[in-house]
Amino acid sequence: QVQLVESGGGVVQPGGSLRLSCAASGFMFNSYAMHWVRQVPGKGLEWVAVVSFDGSSEDYADSVKGRFTISRDNSKNTLYLQMSSLRPGDMAVYYCARDRGQTHWFEPWGQGTLVTVSS
Amino acid sequence: SYVLTQPPSVSVAPGKTADITCGGNNIGSKSVNWYQQKPGQAPVVVIYYDSDRPSGIPERFSGSNSGITATLTISGVEAGDEADYYCQVWDTSSDHWFFGGGTKLTVL
Repeated sequence: QVQLVESGGGVVQPGGSLRLSCAASGFMFNSYAMHWVRQVPGKGLEWVAVVSFDGSSEDYADSVKGRFTISRDNSKNTLYLQMSSLRPGDMAVYYCARDRGQTHWFEPWGQGTLVTVSS
Repeated sequence: SYVLTQPPSVSVAPGKTADITCGGNNIGSKSVNWYQQKPGQAPVVVIYYDSDRPSGIPERFSGSNSGITATLTISGVEAGDEADYYCQVWDTSSDHWFFGGGTKLTVL
């Protein structure tokens, strides 16, 4: 079945870096754009970044632009999010999600990985 | 930035109908998607393209987009429908994705 599994979350100090991974299975990974979406515990959802199906283009929310980099390795069916200059406000559960359809909904989502930014 | 406005909470008795609204500037020109998120779980799409329902989602879930407000309607509400619901759009002008603030549905 279609599945996304995130990893790489953990505790990092303010100003530090972390790389998240999202392993995809059960579908043709290289045919879909992929996203990262985050959620501060107890709060709402915030779109973070998107990468095209072939990795040739990407885009970011203003809140992370210049600090985060989304990428993918289609040979490994894996999506990445390199996060640097982390701030307390970046502390959240990070989900990867597949882009679907002309209206660009997210389906499925991974189970999420928690990033804690604290000294 | 495109702002989507949802009521923070909606309460409904079992068996009744719940309407969850999502407002945004000229929202009728956009396609709205809806997600259900239960505690400790990832979101799941329940409506896409304003009113289409993915396979496996009960017919009790429906959506509409009037141009002023998009609405997720849950008919015959069950206790298992208690969750947070989020609307979402893709804004073509910015090529960014936006979520509403979420609505907590409480089944009385």
